[in-house]
Amino acid sequence: EVQLVESGGGLVKPGGSLRLSCAASGFIFSTYSMNWVRQAPGKGLEWVSSISSRTGYVYYADSVKGRFTISRDNAKNSLYLQMNTLRAEDTAVYYCASDSDILTGTFDYWGQGILVTVSS
Amino acid sequence: QSALTQPPSASGSPGQSVTISCTGTSSDVGGYNYVSWYQQHPGKAPKLMIYEVSKRPSGVPDRFSGSKSGNTASLTVSGLQAEDEADYYCSSYAGSNIVFGTGTKVTVL
Repeated sequence: EVQLVESGGGLVKPGGSLRLSCAASGFIFSTYSMNWVRQAPGKGLEWVSSISSRTGYVYYADSVKGRFTISRDNAKNSLYLQMNTLRAEDTAVYYCASDSDILTGTFDYWGQGILVTVSS
Repeated sequence: QSALTQPPSASGSPGQSVTISCTGTSSDVGGYNYVSWYQQHPGKAPKLMIYEVSKRPSGVPDRFSGSKSGNTASLTVSGLQAEDEADYYCSSYAGSNIVFGTGTKVTVL
């Protein structure tokens, strides 16, 4: 059974940092592109970032470029999102999601999501 | 990176059909065949229902179908059932990023 489990969320002050993790199991993690998608409270889905399966190509939404860094460790079946200089508008549930190829938007498996709250 | 435009709401009685539109531009929906549709129930993660415009993942009922014409993609749910009541989002490849739609709440009357 495919499982994606996010961790590392919580409450952080504006300007602070947080690192999200996503532990994957049940599929060959190293062959899938991985993504972060977020959803602000009561709002729609927003794509945040993508990373290719092996070459490490990365892509970011303009809203997080220069502040967030996506990375992965295929040996540990894990995906990460380092979030710096956090703003109130980054408050959201963050989902990790798999994609058979980079940037197709075919997010076939999703984690349960983790809440990040940016507030003083 | 502007969001794709969807109607805020749609509704139908059990057994009827409902169609949701997703309008973008030639830089996203109209330019590529990488349009996906997601179903999201309250408090749950989204679920992939359609990918590459009209393909259905294994396990998704054939009541769900997708199409595209120009810069507008559509999701049709035929034979509406109570469990189809949810929020639906489209997404599209848009060059070096992915853009989601604004979302449509489907109500089964």
